Amino acid sequence: ETGVTQSPTHLIKTRGQQVTLRCSSQSGHNTVSWYQQALGQGPQFIFQYYREEENGRGNFPPRFSGLQFPNYSSELNVNALELDDSALYLCASSLWWGNTGELFFGEGSRLTVL
Amino acid sequence: SQQGEEDPQALSIQEGENATMNCSYKTSINNLQWYRQNSGRGLVHLILIRSNEREKHSGRLRVTLDTSKKSSSLLITASRAADTASYFCATTGNTGKLIFGQGTTLQVKP
Repeated sequence: ETGVTQSPTHLIKTRGQQVTLRCSSQSGHNTVSWYQQALGQGPQFIFQYYREEENGRGNFPPRFSGLQFPNYSSELNVNALELDDSALYLCASSLWWGNTGELFFGEGSRLTVL
Repeated sequence: SQQGEEDPQALSIQEGENATMNCSYKTSINNLQWYRQNSGRGLVHLILIRSNEREKHSGRLRVTLDTSKKSSSLLITASRAADTASYFCATTGNTGKLIFGQGTTLQVKP
């Protein structure tokens, strides 16, 4: 158990809808990273938040947005859902430039877009 | 985009055998990490090797790093059925962001 919790665990949406995924980071961790993992692929970096500000973004369009709150929990929002957004969305927390650089992952939110 | 590429994509062995997975990457790194993922679940950190290290051990795991070849290998000795999972290498460069490869799916038959 990493102490990182994500909700919801599964959800189904239709094309064009919007979705919000939530993540509570491990106690003491000030950095949250979000990844998208399509079936059979490795996790793709979406963005990272450090102290409530976006700190780096992968190759994802602006309809993918996020927030980090003062307690370091985070949200991932996806607007105008497309079929290709169907994936496992993983949240990972860490200490900024921590000793190991290790990420602590939650169990993910599996999104299906119909 | 993926930084690392794992080889092989899939590996099937018998319990007790050793499993070796390889990872190649493209740009300079600060460290390289290996993660494990059970089917459809979150990733679990296994081991980290820094760019100035050549070999590291953790229990039944042995990781090597060759920065001149931009490659790493993960060896799991005396494999068990419970080792069945997907294994990913991930690299951290100057951006501090962890970029993952495509993964190797390991099946250990009892």
